[in-house]
Amino acid sequence: GAVVSQHPSWVICKSGTSVKIECRSLDFQATTMFWYRQFPKQSLMLMATSNEGSKATYEQGVEKDKFLINHASLTLSTLTVTSAHPEDSSFYICSASPRTGGRDEQFFGPGTRLTVL
Amino acid sequence: DAKTTQPPSMDCAEGRAANLPCNHSTISGNEYVYWYRQIHSQGPQYIIHGLKNNETNEMASLIITEDRKSSTLILPHATLRDTAVYYCIVRGTNDYKLSFGAGTTVTVRA
Repeated sequence: GAVVSQHPSWVICKSGTSVKIECRSLDFQATTMFWYRQFPKQSLMLMATSNEGSKATYEQGVEKDKFLINHASLTLSTLTVTSAHPEDSSFYICSASPRTGGRDEQFFGPGTRLTVL
Repeated sequence: DAKTTQPPSMDCAEGRAANLPCNHSTISGNEYVYWYRQIHSQGPQYIIHGLKNNETNEMASLIITEDRKSSTLILPHATLRDTAVYYCIVRGTNDYKLSFGAGTTVTVRA
């Protein structure tokens, strides 16, 4: 149980284009989902937290207009990187929690590797 | 502001127990100790968590000192597939964020 999937697992895009990454909780309802970013040889950095049906809360320094998050259902959250640039190339990981506020364990997806040319 | 301190790396022989230390000297009474690990190019995997009692599950054991200022994650019989970065995280009951530090890179050698 507690499986989280991400799609795609990797994507290559041209600079200036937008890329959408999906995060799904397969066997539980996730009231809270989290998006992290991880640069090579660095740790995970939380980008934003979203609760189903409400606007995402972004961490300091993360541009909300560039990283659009939608959590429209209890099993799906999407992250759209708009007008991607090479510096956005990174490993994007989502996690999901079955309880509001994420107070229980977070279950992580396998990650999406984004390369912007 | 790091709440935990872990050694940057450690080696372990396959089949032997791996003992991973973590210092959390400023831990508060309502904060739990969580352990996650991340195998290369994968998402983190939950291992175990505890408040003050020792905990054991099918993956590992967590030993928390009586003053709760430090803990040790024990992998009883390390395998090559346990090679990963292990993160010790302190998290309060009212917190929803997981703050990942640098972790400990564990390399299991045959």
